[in-house]
Amino acid sequence: GENVEQHPSTLSVQEGDSAVIKCTYSDSASNYFPWYKQELGKGPQLIIDIRSNVGEKKDQRIAVTLNKTAKHFSLHITETQPEDSAVYFCAASIDNDMRFGAGTRLTVKP
Amino acid sequence: KAGVTQTPRYLIKTRGQQVTLSCSPISGHRSVSWYQQTPGQGLQFLFEYFSETQRNKGNFPGRFSGRQFSNSRSEMNVSTLELGDSALYLCASRDRGWEQYFGPGTRLTVT
Repeated sequence: GENVEQHPSTLSVQEGDSAVIKCTYSDSASNYFPWYKQELGKGPQLIIDIRSNVGEKKDQRIAVTLNKTAKHFSLHITETQPEDSAVYFCAASIDNDMRFGAGTRLTVKP
Repeated sequence: KAGVTQTPRYLIKTRGQQVTLSCSPISGHRSVSWYQQTPGQGLQFLFEYFSETQRNKGNFPGRFSGRQFSNSRSEMNVSTLELGDSALYLCASRDRGWEQYFGPGTRLTVT
């Protein structure tokens, strides 16, 4: 089955800096790659997603890139703010069978 | 639209007991998936229901079961609870697209 690896497990940045989280997947049939943000005491919130026929997608300060050949995708957050502090999860999906990475705890220091 | 709701938010049960958790999807969403989240294993897929039928199942023992009603609301049941079942149980709903929206979860503690 699909296996998703996520790095780093923790990431600390200064407010205003950029943050990058990387994920790799094993099954080349995966065709949908969402990213979720989970704050303490809440369920994961979909923040951005990308489909296998697209290489890059951007939404304000957040962008995701996908390299199908290398089977990896990344989340980029620019101009980080303290409210970006949370756990971020990547996922890879084949026909709605979704597998998640282990998560990255992002801390943005003011 | 209201988001995904889950009840109860917190539960404490004793080993050997059974538990039923409830999920109400976003209005109009017909697919409901359940996940178990633990610090050690992360987010793991339990099962997905669509139009009252289980469409997909993860690698969990038969003690974990679910069902979906005609109004798309879903329940999951865990029988003969074990200490290792302590987790945050998350429900997510989806419309025809691929985007999946999670509820706040039910925190289950087994003592």
